[in-house]
Amino acid sequence: GAGVSQSPSNKVTEKGKDVELRCDPISGHTALYWYRQRLGQGLEFLIYFQGNSAPDKSGLPSDRFSAERTGESVSTLTIQRTQQEDSAVYLCASSLGLGGDTQYFGPGTRLTVL
Amino acid sequence: GEDVEQSLFLSVREGDSSVINCTYTDSSSTYLYWYKQEPGAGLQLLTYIFSNMDMKQDQRLTVLLNKKDKHLSLRIADTQTGDSAIYFCARKGYQKVTFGTGTKLQVIP
Repeated sequence: GAGVSQSPSNKVTEKGKDVELRCDPISGHTALYWYRQRLGQGLEFLIYFQGNSAPDKSGLPSDRFSAERTGESVSTLTIQRTQQEDSAVYLCASSLGLGGDTQYFGPGTRLTVL
Repeated sequence: GEDVEQSLFLSVREGDSSVINCTYTDSSSTYLYWYKQEPGAGLQLLTYIFSNMDMKQDQRLTVLLNKKDKHLSLRIADTQTGDSAIYFCARKGYQKVTFGTGTKLQVIP
């Protein structure tokens, strides 16, 4: 596609439910990143993929968070047993490679946990 | 550490220059970036600079890097109301990019 897309754009869920967020990177981009942006705060790095592998999962806030990527393309970020503190905008970005390549961001998924 | 710090808010009058500042702690940075985030939108890359450069100019944007002081700035000349947004600086370390908290630029007509 022309840019990074994310779905859904908005998600409202009840505390304790599981949610799945999707990211479609730019075609051909091998690196993919997930960030979280809480209201009024900066970006918090969660995880990155090089191909389908995630070498560094230390940014994931808890074991309720997991992510996978398949076909060096689509990635899903899953949050199990959501809590109110998970409410944030979740941003995905992709880049051609890891190096210093520019990251192109999607519009984000706004998650609200009631 | 990998801290990247920015002031939270800047207000300027339309037509004036804006200077947004950023400091970082890790001297191993290779690339430094400026991103713009308009309300309700994702981040858009404005410009970036290699760590061995000290200045980069792109139309109304000027990036200055003081590697010794670990200080990065973004100057926007002739600031317009459309420049109102949150500006994030970011640095690339080993495989990971760390973002600052963002500076909200308010342009007063």
